[in-house]
Order: sequence, then C-alpha cells, then structure tokens
Amino acid sequence: NAGVTQTPKFQVLKTGQSMTLQCAQDMNHNSMYWYRQDPGMGLRLIYYSASEGTTDKGEVPNGYNVSRLNKREFSLRLESAAPSQTSVYFCASTPGGLYEQYFGPGTRLTVT
Amino acid sequence: GQQVMQIPQYQHVQEGEDFTTYCNSSTTLSNIQWYKQRPGGHPVFLIQLVKSGEVKKQKRLTFQFGEAKKNSSLHITATQTTDVGTYFCAGHAGTASKLTFGTGTRLQVTL
Repeated sequence: NAGVTQTPKFQVLKTGQSMTLQCAQDMNHNSMYWYRQDPGMGLRLIYYSASEGTTDKGEVPNGYNVSRLNKREFSLRLESAAPSQTSVYFCASTPGGLYEQYFGPGTRLTVT
Repeated sequence: GQQVMQIPQYQHVQEGEDFTTYCNSSTTLSNIQWYKQRPGGHPVFLIQLVKSGEVKKQKRLTFQFGEAKKNSSLHITATQTTDVGTYFCAGHAGTASKLTFGTGTRLQVTL
C-alpha cells in the first residue's frame, strides 16, 4: 500500500516550458487535491477534485490546469512556467467529507 | 473568504520547555485538524476535533477546540528534539470539500 505517490520528485524548468506533475493514490479515496507551499509559508490550494469526474478551482488556480484521469490519478499541468511558480507542490487525497488528508512526498519545482 | 491564522509564526525552545500554538479562524468551523510537517517532509495528520470545547491528548500533546468552534490550540509538554517541525491547523467550513490550512507555526527545539 504505497499511499499517495508523486512524480517527479525534483524538476527544473526554464521560463515558458510546460510540464505535468503526476499524482496517484491507492487508497480508493474519492477526493484529491493539489497544494503549493512556498518557503516559510502555509499550504495554498490550487485545484481539487471532490469526486471522479469533477474539478474545482482553489485559492491560487491561475497558470495551472488539472485532470482527474480516473479515481486513482490527478495531474497538475503548468502550460507556460513562470519563476513565480517555483515552489513545492503537494498532492493529497481523502475519502471525502471531513476525513483527514493524506499527502504525497511532494515535487520540488524550480523555474529559472 | 475563510482565513485561518496561527500564532506564533516561529518559536524556539530549549528541550524540556513547554510549547503552545494558537489557531484562529475567521468563520465557524465544522472540525479542526492538526498536521505536523518535519523539515523537508510532507504534512502528516495528527488528530481531529469535532465537538465544541473538545479536548484530546496524545502523550505529551494536548489539543483543544474552542467553544465557538472558531479557535483551537496545540500544547506540547516538555518538548523533545523529535518535536521539531511546522504545525498546521486546518478546518472545514460547513460540509465543503475544501480544507483551509492555517499559516503554520515552526517549532525549533535545541538541547
């Protein structure tokens, strides 16, 4: 039981490049989330998927797109990376409702 | 929108001293969750409180949920170096799918 996995662990992009961050969970959870965490900051919600087939914007969605590929997988795409998107990105999942969230190990992204 | 603030932002204690972090929400919460993030790691769930005035303990950690369900606290008795990390509170407003995280308190413990 791997929990929540994220790929890649590290990535360096040049301004304007695109990439997709992958997230998968094997806990049969309904809801999945993408957060970003900047140095010394808390967690800010980018997008979430309350259930398979639905996605909604969070607090900081600009510059990102998401796809809930199936119940297990939720990907985050940066179409044209900017230095302001340098951050650590965490994926999380939960059965839904008021349950706790389970986090992946994170992707450390640097945009130069 | 809903905001959750934590104080202090940072605290440095000597091992054996007590530590408290406070969490305040701008809106009434359905629940409060606490997470711990070790340096370089990811947030890990510690506990959830749901009832007004609820108090829960986990060994040296004591968690409280305020009577108005808008604030919470985490108290660590006799800190150890293993307590180092950032502590986040988080809560749901109503039955919304979104969990709003607090700003976090970074705890440093030295011998």
